[in-house]
Amino acid sequence: EDKVVQSPLSLVVHEGDTVTLNCSYEVTNFRSLLWYKQEKKAPTFLFMLTSSGIEKKSGRLSSILDKKELFSILNITATQTGDSAIYLCADSGGSNYKLTFGKGTLLTVNP
Amino acid sequence: NAGVTQTPKFRILKIGQSMTLQCTQDMNHNYMYWYRQDPGMGLKLIYYSVGAGITDKGEVPNGYNVSRSTTEDFPLRLELAAPSQTSVYFCASSYSDRGNYEQFFGPGTRLTVL
Repeated sequence: EDKVVQSPLSLVVHEGDTVTLNCSYEVTNFRSLLWYKQEKKAPTFLFMLTSSGIEKKSGRLSSILDKKELFSILNITATQTGDSAIYLCADSGGSNYKLTFGKGTLLTVNP
Repeated sequence: NAGVTQTPKFRILKIGQSMTLQCTQDMNHNYMYWYRQDPGMGLKLIYYSVGAGITDKGEVPNGYNVSRSTTEDFPLRLELAAPSQTSVYFCASSYSDRGNYEQFFGPGTRLTVL
């Protein structure tokens, strides 16, 4: 069974700090790794990573995948209170486009 | 487009009652999914469907049933509700083709079983 492990499970920082969230996966038939942001409601899509070493960037958020070491990181620079959320990663190693989610990292950004 | 919509937003059930959680998407997506989310536990897949008339079990299907008679609708049925089914339920859909794994989520239904 696929296993996706995120660390840390929770993190408290001050506005302006830079954070790195980690996601490791164990999958026999890896296809893609996805990052989602979940505020109070539904998860919203951030990135999908398929190739190793290619950084994806959106504003202050960036992510990269290492397929050799089986992990991905999500970086957030110059954090703002609006970045407070649960960040979920998921791998798509399963059949029928199923995703296996990690437990998430709860990020709290204090003013 | 409304995207993925779910009803109801909140519901309280008594042990042993039944209910159906509704999910509709207007994006003509072929794949649909039901997840439950317990505090600190991420999302667990309950059931999924790859098209109208085709459904299959996910990781935690016990106590639930689904049907998919149309492309748009994917209701989740709870029979004989139990306290262990207290959770937040999310429906999601995707147009899964050519390696596109992005799923779009509905706003969720918060269910409490007492």
